[in-house]
Amino acid sequence: DQQVKQNSPSLSVQEGRISILNCDYTNSMFDYFLWYKKYPAEGPTFLISISSIKDKNEDGRFTVFLNKSAKHLSLHIVPSQPGDSAVYFCAARPTGGGNKLTFGTGTQLKVEL
Amino acid sequence: GAVVSQHPSRVICKSGTSVKIECRSLDFQATTMFWYRQFPKQSLMLMATSNEGSKATYEQGVEKDKFLINHASLTLSTLTVTSAHPEDSSFYICSAGGRTMSGQYFGPGTRLTVT
Repeated sequence: DQQVKQNSPSLSVQEGRISILNCDYTNSMFDYFLWYKKYPAEGPTFLISISSIKDKNEDGRFTVFLNKSAKHLSLHIVPSQPGDSAVYFCAARPTGGGNKLTFGTGTQLKVEL
Repeated sequence: GAVVSQHPSRVICKSGTSVKIECRSLDFQATTMFWYRQFPKQSLMLMATSNEGSKATYEQGVEKDKFLINHASLTLSTLTVTSAHPEDSSFYICSAGGRTMSGQYFGPGTRLTVT
C-alpha cells in the first residue's frame, strides 16, 4: 500500500524554466512533509519541508506547496539548473510518528541545456 | 547541517559471509536511526528503526535474524548482514534523527555486492 505517491517517474525541463514535481498522499495523519534530492550512489539530501499548518514554504529557488484538502504537495524549482538533475523524493511523517518517514517512489528530474 | 557518515562506502563479499555497516552521526546525538535499502530505480525501503539502547523495530518482511541492528550509543548504529547471499546485494542507506529534529539526515550509503 503506497501511502505516498509520485506518479511521474521522470521529468525533463529546459534550463532556466520551472520544474514542478508532484506528490500525493493518502494518509490523513501525515502532518509534516519533506523533499529530498538524491544523486546516484549517494544518500538523499534534505531540500525543504513544510508543516501541515502551512500551505507554502519557500527557500531560495525551491518552493513547496501543500494542498491538504487534495492531499497533494508539489515542489517548484525556478529557475532550473543542470545541477538540479537528480531523483527527488517526497516524504511524509505522521502525527506522533517520531521521525519515521514514508517515502514516495521518486521522480527523476533532468534539466537540459 | 547535521552530518551522518557511513562506512564502508562500498563492499564486496562472498556468499555466506557476514558484513557489518556502520552509521555515525558526527555532530548531533541520534536518538533514532533508520536503515533503508534501495534497489535500482526504486524507492527507499525502510528496513528497521532503532532507538538508542533498545531493540530495533523491523518492518514487515525484513528478517531480523538476517539483518542485525545494534544502536549501542547516541552516535553509532550498525547493520550486520549475516550469511549474505547475492540477492542481498543492494544500496544500504542509514539516516538519523535527534530529539529536536523534524526529519532525518541521511548517510552517503553503502553499496553491497555479494558474489
